[in-house]
Amino acid sequence: DAKTTQPTSMDCAEGRAANLPCNHSTISGNEYVYWYRQIHSQGPQYIIHGLKNNETNEMASLIITEDRKSSTLILPHATLRDTAVYYCIVRGAAAGTALIFGKGTTLSVSS
Amino acid sequence: EAGVAQSPRYKIIEKRQSVAFWCNPISGHATLYWYQQILGQGPKLLIQFQNNGVVDDSQLPKDRFSAERLKGVDSTLKIQPAKLEDSAVYLCASSTRQGLGYTFGSGTRLTVV
Repeated sequence: DAKTTQPTSMDCAEGRAANLPCNHSTISGNEYVYWYRQIHSQGPQYIIHGLKNNETNEMASLIITEDRKSSTLILPHATLRDTAVYYCIVRGAAAGTALIFGKGTTLSVSS
Repeated sequence: EAGVAQSPRYKIIEKRQSVAFWCNPISGHATLYWYQQILGQGPKLLIQFQNNGVVDDSQLPKDRFSAERLKGVDSTLKIQPAKLEDSAVYLCASSTRQGLGYTFGSGTRLTVV
């Protein structure tokens, strides 16, 4: 699987947008970008995924660059409960491909 | 729908003892995964099952770790004998055969003293 590079940590003020970057310069054409987050003492939680187009759901937006070498996860109005480790994962399209995690970004939201 | 169930939630054992973890995946999920997460690191895949067959166990330390998924539903992960470096959270996840609905349990926190 392609590797991803994320900043180790980021800070965000409550109510502001949190923009979490991810570099995946070796991504292949059929590989998806997935985002998961892990709140302390819980298992990772699915946020969003995409292939080429930008995606939005009730939790977040995913912006993928045209060359697909990087992406940004956007939490539009961060709350204290969004404090977590955020993982950007590149995953192959083959059925049943496992998620391979890196170190992720620790997002700290403060009031 | 019910999530992925894991037990126990916490376990403390002495080194060289054995321990077993249990996982019940989401109903209908054919694929089951076990991960090890050491403090401060991302989850590391140990083994992947498709129904009751092993798809990938390349990262499983087979001299001390074993896992089974009899009948293609529940799964157990065993460590025997445990070492201090096995202290970690053991996460179970499941998905459909196509990899959809990839969901994690809350994990079992193992402390080896």
